[in-house]
Amino acid sequence: DAMVIQNPRYQVTQFGKPVTLSCSQTLNHNVMYWYQQKSSQAPKLLFHYYDKDFNNEADTPDNFQSRRPNTSFCFLDIRSPGLGDAAMYLCATSRDRAGGTDTQYFGPGTRLTVL
Amino acid sequence: AQTVTQSQPEMSVQEAETVTLSCTYDTSESNYYLFWYKQPPSRQMILVIRQEAYKQQNATENRFSVNFQKAAKSFSLKISDSQLGDTAMYFCAFMKHGRYGGSQGNLIFGKGTKLSVKP
Repeated sequence: DAMVIQNPRYQVTQFGKPVTLSCSQTLNHNVMYWYQQKSSQAPKLLFHYYDKDFNNEADTPDNFQSRRPNTSFCFLDIRSPGLGDAAMYLCATSRDRAGGTDTQYFGPGTRLTVL
Repeated sequence: AQTVTQSQPEMSVQEAETVTLSCTYDTSESNYYLFWYKQPPSRQMILVIRQEAYKQQNATENRFSVNFQKAAKSFSLKISDSQLGDTAMYFCAFMKHGRYGGSQGNLIFGKGTKLSVKP
């Protein structure tokens, strides 16, 4: 089945130690998103790629970076994780259609713990 | 800027009964999408139902239906014949319509309603 896959599902890192989260998709969607979801809160968009075009949200900290080497894969890099970065990180994809962006499909998320 | 408000942080319903989750939004856009997403405990966020603002007919998906009141900017979700598997956090979300660019793809979420279905 076509899907959005995130690895790992659980990630533990130390304060200040760089960490990379991975997302892949078999949907062949041209748009990929990264959301941060803290406990009992709504997801918050960090950034997204439209094909290779990177779009950062204005309030996303510089500590967060992203790479999209090809259509299928997208990475979230946290350069120096702080305790406040502990959260669920959700990847989503959509297919842009003429006239509007299509529904977003979410991966299962990666739960990041910062010690 | 768009905002989405879910005024019910938590709700509960007996199995087989019907429950309605509320959502209101604020926007100056005339064309947009509205969504309900379901996020079960420790599981993936999945799309429940989607409504395009230019369509007057309310969307339905099996036991799930919406009451879309565009003038009132209201978008409630009705779950009929509730099942234990419906227990989840439900998020209402808004997205601008139009050719992709800038924030058109940005989903604006409400804070969510935690629904518990009791046996």
